[in-house]
Amino acid sequence: AQTVTQSQPEMSVQEAETVTLSCTYDTSESDYYLFWYKQPPSRQMILVIRQEAYKQQNATENRFSVNFQKAAKSFSLKISDSQLGDAAMYFCAYGSSGSARQLTFGSGTQLTVLP
Amino acid sequence: NAGVTQTPKFRILKIGQSMTLQCTQDMNHNYMYWYRQDPGMGLKLIYYSVGAGITDKGEVPNGYNVSRSTTEDFPLRLELAAPSQTSVYFCASSYTGTAYEQYFGPGTRLTVT
Repeated sequence: AQTVTQSQPEMSVQEAETVTLSCTYDTSESDYYLFWYKQPPSRQMILVIRQEAYKQQNATENRFSVNFQKAAKSFSLKISDSQLGDAAMYFCAYGSSGSARQLTFGSGTQLTVLP
Repeated sequence: NAGVTQTPKFRILKIGQSMTLQCTQDMNHNYMYWYRQDPGMGLKLIYYSVGAGITDKGEVPNGYNVSRSTTEDFPLRLELAAPSQTSVYFCASSYTGTAYEQYFGPGTRLTVT
């Protein structure tokens, strides 16, 4: 079974600064997907970014980018030019390539953005 | 498209009562999932379905049942509610293309007292 670990329960960043959220995972699969989801106080789960394990190039979506280190089983999220609206709980998730395509979630990192 | 919709948004149950959480998606997704999120925790998979008529257990299925008679609907049934089932429940769906991301409903906050 896969496990996902987010070792930072809480993080804070100054508005306009850059912050990196950490995520490590454990798997024996070679083909899989990784995701970062954002959960604001509204509790809606919002997809931030995705990474296919077979791609060496790190995914980027506007101010959000990842550092995917497959050998180290590490998948960190970098948020540049942080905005007040980025404040939320961020979950790292592992997507199995099996038939069920299940997601395994980490325990989350609560991000506070300071004005 | 409405995406994934869930009803109700909030519910309070007494111990031993039963209820059904409704989930509907209008994106013609084959894959559907039910998760629970306990306070301060990530989501844990309860049940999932890879298509109409096919369901299977996830990590925490005890105390729950599901059915999938249509592509659109995936209700979650709680029988004999217990305080341990107090949680926020999310339904999600995913399509069968190469992308694996799941689309989530707004969640149902359930309290069992």
